[in-house]
Amino acid sequence: GDSVTQMEGPVTLSEEAFLTINCTYTATGYPSLFWYVQYPGEGLQLLLKATKADDKGSNKGFEATYRKETTSFHLEKGSVQVSDSAVYFCALAYSGGYQKVTFGTGTKLQVIP
Amino acid sequence: DAGVIQSPRHEVTEMGQEVTLRCKPISGHDYLFWYRQTMMRGLELLIYFNNNVPIDDSGMPEDRFSAKMPNASFSTLKIQPSEPRDSAVYFCASSPSGTSPYEQYFGPGTRLTVT
Repeated sequence: GDSVTQMEGPVTLSEEAFLTINCTYTATGYPSLFWYVQYPGEGLQLLLKATKADDKGSNKGFEATYRKETTSFHLEKGSVQVSDSAVYFCALAYSGGYQKVTFGTGTKLQVIP
Repeated sequence: DAGVIQSPRHEVTEMGQEVTLRCKPISGHDYLFWYRQTMMRGLELLIYFNNNVPIDDSGMPEDRFSAKMPNASFSTLKIQPSEPRDSAVYFCASSPSGTSPYEQYFGPGTRLTVT
């Protein structure tokens, strides 16, 4: 079956540091890939997405590239801010009628001033 | 749009009591999802509906859990009787059909504590 594996957290960084959160996936087909973010006390919200191999998703300074050859979708940001402190979830889903999203376990990011 | 609305935001109840969680999806969204989030198990899909019809309830942990969607603007998740191990944050999410890939819109969650 499909699965998503994320690096263990928490990840603690100083403000303006470079961020990488690793995500790899196992899929039986050709899914779309997502990063969701959950701020404290809130529900998840979509951060970025990529629908096919070599696509790059980007939003709010975050980027992730769909790498089919390494089955990866690592999240990166060049300079993190305290406001980026949150839990980040990697996920996959398939186009078509079946709506189920497979989420990773989440990686908590703490950014220190 | 007001987004996905969940109520109550916090619920504290005693073991054995019935608990009902409520959700109002975004207007026009055809899909509704119920998730449970715990530290131990992460985010788990419990059940989802399409056009008010349950499509996949394989994630519902046991018969104590039930979910309904009587109309396009309202869904409930009921636990009867509740147990301490049901303590978690329960999220409702909705999404539109038609275009892909689909994005799910999450509500703020209901934090349930069963003592």
